[in-house]
Amino acid sequence: DQQVKQNSPSLSVQEGRISILNCDYTNSMFDYFLWYKKYPAEGPTFLISISSIKDKNEDGRFTVFLNKSAKHLSLHIVPSQPGDSAVYFCAASARTGANNLFFGTGTRLTVIP
Amino acid sequence: GAGVSQSPSNKVTEKGKDVELRCDPISGHTALYWYRQSLGQGLEFLIYFQGNSAPDKSGLPSDRFSAERTGGSVSTLTIQRTQQEDSAVYLCASSLNQLNTEAFFGQGTRLTVV
Repeated sequence: DQQVKQNSPSLSVQEGRISILNCDYTNSMFDYFLWYKKYPAEGPTFLISISSIKDKNEDGRFTVFLNKSAKHLSLHIVPSQPGDSAVYFCAASARTGANNLFFGTGTRLTVIP
Repeated sequence: GAGVSQSPSNKVTEKGKDVELRCDPISGHTALYWYRQSLGQGLEFLIYFQGNSAPDKSGLPSDRFSAERTGGSVSTLTIQRTQQEDSAVYLCASSLNQLNTEAFFGQGTRLTVV
């Protein structure tokens, strides 16, 4: 039973445009959400997070939006750059500790120069 | 080293053989995690260490899987009598302590069972 879902396996965006990656979850107890970015042959690296007490968190070109009623979060990248091309994983937890993270299957973003 | 290091990067083994995967966490990180990612799946939690003890082994898929950690540092994940369904990328991560949900990942070991 996949508690965190990324329904788009891939996304292509033109350089300079906005990339929007989506994530849905089923467990209403989740209260902390993270995005990880993964390049080929490398491990995932933490990108940005959001707590359920907020509905938006911004870090430079990256903004995460949380809609608790819809159990949906999204990652916006503006403007998209070719170096952003990677697989993006959404993760959620109801308790502290990375052992309590539930990951989505990832979305492969390709930013076209 | 500065980051989490895993070895080997790739491992091809015959069905039925045992394999050992190694993880060197970031120095000073007391929490260590093992995950695996099978084709088309998300990261699946396997086991968590706090120091040398494993308070959460809930993700180990069968008794063929075991892990240990020594000296509060290096960890080894052992898979006995490997099966084809064990083929996956095995990822290790560490964090300063269990209160940190954002962990730092190694590059992974790609295991192929033929």
